Amino acid sequence: QQQVKQSPQSLIVQKGGISIINCAYENTAFDYFPWYQQFPGKGPALLIAIRPDVSEKKEGRFTISFNKSAKQFSLHIMDSQPGDSATYFCAASGTYKYIFGTGTRLKVLA
Amino acid sequence: DAGVTQSPTHLIKTRGQQVTLRCSPKSGHDTVSWYQQALGQGPQFIFQYYEEEERQRGNFPDRFSGHQFPNYSSELNVNALLLGDSALYLCASRPNGRRTGELFFGEGSRLTVL
Repeated sequence: QQQVKQSPQSLIVQKGGISIINCAYENTAFDYFPWYQQFPGKGPALLIAIRPDVSEKKEGRFTISFNKSAKQFSLHIMDSQPGDSATYFCAASGTYKYIFGTGTRLKVLA
Repeated sequence: DAGVTQSPTHLIKTRGQQVTLRCSPKSGHDTVSWYQQALGQGPQFIFQYYEEEERQRGNFPDRFSGHQFPNYSSELNVNALLLGDSALYLCASRPNGRRTGELFFGEGSRLTVL
């Protein structure tokens, strides 16, 4: 079964706080784990991605933590800003396959 | 450099009708995938086209068909529309020959079936 389970479904964070979104996958053949950000009326856009040979990747305020043995990965948004309010999707990708999570709607309060 | 473009942006159809959605990939990209995104859900993979052939297909019925043209643009056709086909249809392209990596999405075509 190829699924990517994402939680929470929605998240409200105060400005300056840390937003954490979690995902779990099942297929060990996946070798690319991206996070996409989607604003209303727009298509998803790549935010940050990681490959399973590293346990963490940081780009600015965004960090992916990856646990290969547990088949889990998470997105941490540090110093969350109102402009980060969007829907976030994790995904797992392998050879020509791309499976998305169900999404997390993040709202950052000013 | 234009990104992925899709048309139309919005359309309304009635049950039983047929619809064609169009996509032009980002320059330099030859692989096009189509996704269905229902309200409040993640994108669901419909199929992928490369070298004018359907290479991969998700769990969608044969009512969903597609085509890729020599210039890499693509069409998604849905026949015998059902109410449940109402969704945002996203086209995504990928750089030439890559089997994985970043997908570049268009803004989608919002289909409403009445």
